[in-house]
Amino acid sequence: DGGITQSPKYLFRKEGQNVTLSCEQNLNHDAMYWYRQDPGQGLRLIYYSQIVNDFQKGDIAEGYSVSREKKESFPLTVTSAQKNPTAFYLCASMDRGLSNQPQHFGDGTRLSIL
Amino acid sequence: RKEVEQDPGPFNVPEGATVAFNCTYSNSASQSFFWYRQDCRKEPKLLMSVYSSGNEDGRFTAQLNRASQYISLLIRDSKLSDSATYLCVVNPTGTASKLTFGTGTRLQVTL
Repeated sequence: DGGITQSPKYLFRKEGQNVTLSCEQNLNHDAMYWYRQDPGQGLRLIYYSQIVNDFQKGDIAEGYSVSREKKESFPLTVTSAQKNPTAFYLCASMDRGLSNQPQHFGDGTRLSIL
Repeated sequence: RKEVEQDPGPFNVPEGATVAFNCTYSNSASQSFFWYRQDCRKEPKLLMSVYSSGNEDGRFTAQLNRASQYISLLIRDSKLSDSATYLCVVNPTGTASKLTFGTGTRLQVTL
């Protein structure tokens, strides 16, 4: 089955710790995205990548970093500089070759502060 | 003005009712439009794309009004299982760039 896999489902971070959220897709999509969702709020874009070895900041990139070394993988690191990391993190991908395509989401990672 | 605006609701409707949500967008050049459904503590899932001529999928009808810059979602014969938050999503360019998500409209269908 083609899809997007995020891991872990739940993650706890200690003060001063960096943590990395995994996102893998086997849909052969070029474009991948990371969003953050706070309770009762909409999705906010953290970073996105339209092609391997390239990525752009979204609207709330501060305190986060990403890499895109492989087409299938777009890991997100939440650094200690992100002072309020508790949120629901969603990874998405999209077919770049066709226009007007929707994004497909993984089932998310919930990050909490210990 | 927000790029995409939705009435947050909640809309509380009885089973079997018809309910409609609107969503307005600010970028008149926007190319593609979608409705997503998000259940509590779950990821958004694509409900339907919205085409210029309007489109229907079972009990769901989506319409686009480019002149007034809004899209709508109509749900007929509401079911308990339709209870969720419905997100309006706009792609300004139609390509794999940044999509803009509304904050969602919450629907609660009751017995």
